[in-house]
Amino acid sequence: AQSVTQLDSHVSVSEGTPVLLRCNYSSSYSPSLFWYVQHPNKGLQLLLKYTSAATLVKGINGFEAEFKKSETSFHLTKPSAHMSDAAEYFCVVSGFHGSGNTGKLIFGQGTTLQVKP
Amino acid sequence: EPEVTQTPSHQVTQMGQEVILRCVPISNHLYFYWYRQILGQKVEFLVSFYNNEISEKSEIFDDQFSVERPDGSNFTLKIRSTKLEDSAMYFCASTPKETQYFGPGTRLLVL
Repeated sequence: AQSVTQLDSHVSVSEGTPVLLRCNYSSSYSPSLFWYVQHPNKGLQLLLKYTSAATLVKGINGFEAEFKKSETSFHLTKPSAHMSDAAEYFCVVSGFHGSGNTGKLIFGQGTTLQVKP
Repeated sequence: EPEVTQTPSHQVTQMGQEVILRCVPISNHLYFYWYRQILGQKVEFLVSFYNNEISEKSEIFDDQFSVERPDGSNFTLKIRSTKLEDSAMYFCASTPKETQYFGPGTRLLVL
């Protein structure tokens, strides 16, 4: 079975400093991995995705993530936080079932990113 | 840019009542999903729908739940007899193949 663990429920950084949101996954198959962001009272927006191409994936708004198979990790980073980055971030793995990928997404618990001025 | 839309944005209902949550997926997408997020908890998969039938459903998706694509554009989630524990944010998503695009959600409150 697939699962995702986000190692921090809450991360607080100062504006202009780096962001690191940690995610570990478990999958019997070659996973597709995603990071989604949810701003208050908004829907889920895709930040980036990994689908077995380049292990370093660049997303929107300066975010990137590195797929490390040996560590089963897919941590999200950004060199310099902006106030507008304050939101809930979800690490997500695409689920497999029986004969293959059914497409359902399995979400981590979420990490709340706080950005201080 | 096309978006997934959901109506209503908020719904308050009495326990035992039926509710229908509506979604309009992006028009050329083929796969449709419902997820829910109970306050303070993670987003959970409910059901996937492809080619006019359910392709997978979770344990949460019991006989009280049903989905329909009645007219080729709308995708609905019906809860026949709501319970207090159905209170949650419900998200619809659609995809042409892999990346799922989510709607803004419907916040359901069961009293």
